[in-house]
Amino acid sequence: AAGVIQSPRHLIKEKRETATLKCYPIPRHDTVYWYQQGPGQDPQFLISFYEKMQSDKGSIPDRFSAQQFSDYHSELNMSSLELGDSALYFCASSPYSYNSPLHFGNGTRLTVT
Amino acid sequence: GESVGLHLPTLSVQEGDNSIINCAYSNSASDYFIWYKQESGKGPQFIIDIRSNMDKRQGQRVTVLLNKTVKHLSLQIAATQPGDSAVYFCAENMVPNSGGSNYKLTFGKGTLLTVNP
Repeated sequence: AAGVIQSPRHLIKEKRETATLKCYPIPRHDTVYWYQQGPGQDPQFLISFYEKMQSDKGSIPDRFSAQQFSDYHSELNMSSLELGDSALYFCASSPYSYNSPLHFGNGTRLTVT
Repeated sequence: GESVGLHLPTLSVQEGDNSIINCAYSNSASDYFIWYKQESGKGPQFIIDIRSNMDKRQGQRVTVLLNKTVKHLSLQIAATQPGDSAVYFCAENMVPNSGGSNYKLTFGKGTLLTVNP
């Protein structure tokens, strides 16, 4: 079965650089979520989109922005990167149906040096 | 609430034993709960879910128990296998505000399950 696809799998950037992470949801899933997971920590909700509109916002820094495109894929844009941004970034998708589980991709590991 | 922690709770079991992983959730208004399994280098993988109008749900080799009185969730894995070794997270779905998304999953602190052959 098709899963959530994230790219790249690994990304190394220097401080103050920018990064763009991409997410391709499961076909027919119209809702996308972004989560950040630090080492040894639980995933933290960043932001979500439904039908290309931002639907909810969590602990996303102002330096980050995201959008969902007409084909439902999503991109997370990160600017002025800081060492503390080093983490795993997961995208998840679901159909817009209350109480259906989120399906996660395998993440992008971002390392900021 | 937020989870803080560099040190995961751990559970070590022998292959073939039953495992019980516990989780305390934070919001009495949460009405949907999910258990995820996360292997190293991978994203959280859905195991089983339960709605707040139930107190038990069974899947293949897994059972989730929900005690709303004490806001407690548990995952039972029968006949644990080495392939079950992973970090297990419970997640609760906060009831969304009007106009918000249908999801704002909050993850609990993970538990590292190690299965010894």
